Order: sequence, then C-alpha cells, then structure tokens
Amino acid sequence: GAVVSQHPSRVICKSGTSVKIECRSLDFQATTMFWYRQFPKQSLMLMATSNEGSKATYEQGVEKDKFLINHASLTLSTLTVTSAHPEDSSFYICSARDSGISTPYEQYFGPGTRLTVT
Amino acid sequence: DAKTTQPTSMDCAEGRAANLPCNHSTISGNEYVYWYRQIHSQGPQYIIHGLKNNETNEMASLIITEDRKSSTLILPHATLRDTAVYYCIVRGHMEYGNKLVFGAGTILRVKS
Repeated sequence: GAVVSQHPSRVICKSGTSVKIECRSLDFQATTMFWYRQFPKQSLMLMATSNEGSKATYEQGVEKDKFLINHASLTLSTLTVTSAHPEDSSFYICSARDSGISTPYEQYFGPGTRLTVT
Repeated sequence: DAKTTQPTSMDCAEGRAANLPCNHSTISGNEYVYWYRQIHSQGPQYIIHGLKNNETNEMASLIITEDRKSSTLILPHATLRDTAVYYCIVRGHMEYGNKLVFGAGTILRVKS
C-alpha cells in the first residue's frame, strides 16, 4: 500500500526557535497534502491543505505566518513552526492524496511528529 | 460535510466481534462513510469506506442502513491490538475539495 513518511518522528526545541517537519509520499505522487495537529486526549484538527506549486489553504484560526507550509514537489511537503512556544507542543500528522487514483478513498496518513517546545 | 455521532467508549472481549455504531442522520446522497482508527501515538489508519452497500475487507465489515442515517463497523474477531480510537467520518468525493474532518471518535478497549 501507499506509504507516507514524516521526519523527524520526535523533536525537542527551545522556545523561540523554528522547527521544520517533512512529509513525503514514498511510492506515489501527491498533488494535495494535509497537515493535522493533535493535542493530548483530543482528536485530530485539520490545520491546512497544501497543493503542489501553490499556496496552502489554512483552516480558520490557524496562523499562516506561524505555520509555514511548502509543497514544492509532488512527493514532499514541509511544515515549519516558526518562533515555537510551549503551546505549540503537539503531535503533527500529515496526510497525502494519491493523484493517480480517482476513487473516493485516496488519502494516506503519515506516522506523525511529536514536537515538544521547552 | 455531515456531522457524525459516536459513543465515547466501548469495551469488547478478545475474540468476540466488536460492533461500533455511528449516526450520520444529515448525510447527503453523494457523501461516503469512512472509518479510520488511531492507535496510541500513531497516525490514523484507513479501515473501510462505503456509500450505500455493505462492504467487507480483510480488516472489517461496514453495515450501512438503508436510509443511510447510520452505520456499524464490525471487527469480527477483536484482538488486543485492535484497541484504538475509531473515527467515523462522512465526506464527499475528494475531487470536489472535501476534506477528512475528524470528530471525537470511539475509544475501543479490547480486554482479555
């Protein structure tokens, strides 16, 4: 089956620094990728949708200048948390849509990245 | 996208069938029912989806009522590794910009 990877799996950073998380589709091309965030004991919250070669679309309440998304190729999207603060500590999960399949189901999830800001 | 309602939690004995209900009374004709699960500290895993007819794959069965207002996910022989949060999501076709939006889900605990 289709595989989505994320790197790093865990990251600890100091308050005020920026952190970049990579999301890759390993065996398929993804024109659309999604970024979710999940706080402890809560459900996944969709942050933004990124389309290859264009600007990301952010969900209401998500700061686009804080969460920079780049989708420069069909297999790679990056999420950069700028000037991270402890309240940004969360589990970040990406998901990718297989561009080559035209079925209702074509979205695959990565394993997630645990971000801890100290 | 239509809203779904699921029980907060359920217990199931190992080896028995786990039946997870989901209400989606406002579902529209072109919306599919999807089931995902999330094992602790992992990304969501696709289980199954359906439109009208019942569906079965190697993981589970999906029973959708005739009026499509509710559905049941069936894990035929639950194991301890099936302990997870199960999400029922209703969504239209992705080509029209529809997105997977997760609700609270059902915590399924499989006990020995």
